[in-house]
Amino acid sequence: ELKVEQNPLFLSMQEGKNYTIYCNYSTTSDRLYWYRQDPGKSLESLFVLLSNGAVKQEGRLMASLDTKARLSTLHITAAVHDLSATYFCAVALFNNDMRFGAGTRLTVKP
Amino acid sequence: EPEVTQTPSHQVTQMGQEVILRCVPISNHLYFYWYRQILGQKVEFLVSFYNNEISEKSEIFDDQFSVERPDGSNFTLKIRSTKLEDSAMYFCASSLDAGELFFGEGSRLTVL
Repeated sequence: ELKVEQNPLFLSMQEGKNYTIYCNYSTTSDRLYWYRQDPGKSLESLFVLLSNGAVKQEGRLMASLDTKARLSTLHITAAVHDLSATYFCAVALFNNDMRFGAGTRLTVKP
Repeated sequence: EPEVTQTPSHQVTQMGQEVILRCVPISNHLYFYWYRQILGQKVEFLVSFYNNEISEKSEIFDDQFSVERPDGSNFTLKIRSTKLEDSAMYFCASSLDAGELFFGEGSRLTVL
């Protein structure tokens, strides 16, 4: 059974600081997704990573994928308050189903 | 921009009642999904649907649950006899191919 583990589960940061969220998964997959969820809202797609070594950046967020290590990272650069949300990684199985990590609740403080 | 729409946004029901949650996926998408999220917890896979049949379902998706695509546009999730632990946010998602899933805004189910 596919297991997806995120850490940390809770992250409190000061504005302007950098940090990385980690996502490990237990079985072979060639697709990994990062989603953002604001309280009471739906899941907003941030990144789709489709190959080993893939790196994507959008604003202050950068995601990478190492399929050999079964690891993806979401790096936050110079955090701002607007980034406060819960971030989920999700790993796709070969039948196109996805399994989510537990989520990382990020709070960025002024 | 095309989007996945879900109704109702919030439903309150009594334990033992039947509930139907409705979703209109993006029109040219071929894969459809239901996920649920108990308040403050992780997003859990329920079922995937392709070519008018279930392609995979999780342990959560027991005999109390069913899905249907009755008219080529709607995709419904039915819970036959709701339990307290069915209270959650239910998300519908659709996908064109083996790529990105697009999620609806969710339907919050409260079972009393």
